[in-house]
Amino acid sequence: GAVVSQHPSRVICKSGTSVKIECRSLDFQATTMFWYRQFPKQSLMLMATSNEGSKATYEQGVEKDKFLINHASLTLSTLTVTSAHPEDSSFYICSALAGVLQQAEAFFGQGTRLTVV
Amino acid sequence: GQQVMQIPQYQHVQEGEDFTTYCNSSTTLSNIQWYKQRPGGHPVFLIQLVKSGEVKKQKRLTFQFGEAKKNSSLHITATQTTDVGTYFCAGNQAGTALIFGKGTTLSVSS
Repeated sequence: GAVVSQHPSRVICKSGTSVKIECRSLDFQATTMFWYRQFPKQSLMLMATSNEGSKATYEQGVEKDKFLINHASLTLSTLTVTSAHPEDSSFYICSALAGVLQQAEAFFGQGTRLTVV
Repeated sequence: GQQVMQIPQYQHVQEGEDFTTYCNSSTTLSNIQWYKQRPGGHPVFLIQLVKSGEVKKQKRLTFQFGEAKKNSSLHITATQTTDVGTYFCAGNQAGTALIFGKGTTLSVSS
């Protein structure tokens, strides 16, 4: 199947700093990528939809100025957590759609475990 | 907005017993997908169902998509310890983000 690479897999940062997470589709082009967040023992919650060449669409309750999304090419979307705080510590995971619209399959990156200290 | 409900939240079985998790959507879905996540891992795609009433099998796993395309189930026959993990259903409408259910965490004792 299609491969989505997410980097870094783990990051520890100090409170107040910013962290950038990259999501790459390695063997296909993805006009749309999605960013999810997963807290311990909870499900994946959609944060935003990233569209190549346009602004991301954020879900209700997700601060767009805090979680900056850039989808500058058909194979790369980035999520920057700005001025991170301990409550932002979570598992962040991206996915990209591959295939025909109606039957597109979502491929996930390996996820990034962010710890803010 | 679209919601996907999944039950039960937790299920413990003895090895060899069967297991079923159910998924219901508040809206008609274009397709439904199932994922398995092991502790510490990321979700791994299991299968996608597209057609109304569709049934697909993968060895001991049987997946069903309801006639109205609003519900689905995953049934595991004769569970094994390797089946442990959290099973998520996720549905969407064409081209939109997958909305995940809360997942069913399966534990299996030998």
